[in-house]
Amino acid sequence: AQKVTQAQTEISVVEKEDVTLDCVYETRDTTYYLFWYKQPPSGELVFLIRRNSFDEQNEISGRYSWNFQKSTSSFNFTITASQVVDSAVYFCALSSPLYNQGGKLIFGQGTELSVKP
Amino acid sequence: GAGVSQSPRYKVAKRGQDVALRCDPISGHVSLFWYQQALGQGPEFLTYFQNEAQLDKSGLPSDRFFAERPEGSVSTLKIQRTQQEDSAVYLCASSPGPRGIQPQHFGDGTRLSIL
Repeated sequence: AQKVTQAQTEISVVEKEDVTLDCVYETRDTTYYLFWYKQPPSGELVFLIRRNSFDEQNEISGRYSWNFQKSTSSFNFTITASQVVDSAVYFCALSSPLYNQGGKLIFGQGTELSVKP
Repeated sequence: GAGVSQSPRYKVAKRGQDVALRCDPISGHVSLFWYQQALGQGPEFLTYFQNEAQLDKSGLPSDRFFAERPEGSVSTLKIQRTQQEDSAVYLCASSPGPRGIQPQHFGDGTRLSIL
């Protein structure tokens, strides 16, 4: 079975603090993709990053960074120097296109991040 | 258009009525997905189309749910004899190629409320 767990339901920080959102996944497949999406109050899911299972290199994009560790089945997301505009619900997701033909996304329950000024 | 477009944005229906939700994917996108998102939860997969072919409908919760994409572009999700537990946000997503390897682009969703 495939599963994504985001244990942190809500996180509240003060602007300029660093914050890490945790994501743990389960899959038996050797080929899979991991994603992070942001859902602001407007409701649209905004794509942030995709990693494939063969690339464990960490990635940095501006204030965002991602730490992928296959040994612990984790794909954590860090926001450095958080800003009020980062307030949103963040979802981690998993897909296995070779296992299920369509590549449907399996989402975690989301972490609601609140950044206060 | 530039992004995935869904209509209506909000839909209120009485229990027992039929509803139809529309999705206009990004032009040229092969794959189209429907998800259901309950309040405070992550989206859950409903069904997947590759062009006009519905390749996976394993997530449809009952035979009251039906989806189609007859010409491989616009898709409609229909719910017959709606019940209160159908209240949710219905999200549509599209991606350029088959198999969902490329990132899915989501619409704003349709918020369905069943009274």
